[in-house]
Amino acid sequence: DSGVTQTPKHLITATGQRVTLRCSPRSGDLSVYWYQQSLDQGLQFLIQYYNGEERAKGNILERFSAQQFPDLHSELNLSSLELGDSALYFCASSPPNSGNTGELFFGEGSRLTVL
Amino acid sequence: GQSLEQPSEVTAVEGAIVQINCTYQTSGFYGLSWYQQHDGGAPTFLSYNGLDGLEETGRFSSFLSRSDSYGYLLLQELQMKDSASYFCAVHSGYSTLTFGKGTMLLVSP
Repeated sequence: DSGVTQTPKHLITATGQRVTLRCSPRSGDLSVYWYQQSLDQGLQFLIQYYNGEERAKGNILERFSAQQFPDLHSELNLSSLELGDSALYFCASSPPNSGNTGELFFGEGSRLTVL
Repeated sequence: GQSLEQPSEVTAVEGAIVQINCTYQTSGFYGLSWYQQHDGGAPTFLSYNGLDGLEETGRFSSFLSRSDSYGYLLLQELQMKDSASYFCAVHSGYSTLTFGKGTMLLVSP
């Protein structure tokens, strides 16, 4: 158990709908990252937050948005869903000194299926 | 931008040694990490190289050559439980990680 909690674990919805994925980082970690993993694909970086502020943005679609709240949990909002959005969405967190260790702690992921 | 290349699949037998290579192109480089992922589970951290050379952690070792933009993960005394996907990842500022597409390691008896 990494200490990173993601909900829901599984989600099935229809095209055009909107969903929200939630992530609670490890206690003491200020950074939260969101990654998308499609079938047979690597982990695609979406966005990073540090202590409530957006720190870096990757290949995140305009239909997707995220935020990190004052209690440091984060939410990833996916709207106007398409079949191609079906994927595993991982959240990860890192401690303030992770630049020295390179270690991210990943949650178990939220598996989104769009029908 | 960043790009990473690693083999898509490697096979080996129990007890053997296997090396998974990773080459990268990046603008801004702080280090190279390796992660293991079993069957769509949570990726877990294996090792990090911020400087050139070899880092050893038990049966796993990782190597980095910054001048060659190259690294590898070495797995020794392979066990069936080592069957998994292995990802190299480049750190490029603010701890942002860019992952390769992963190498599926199949260990057979």
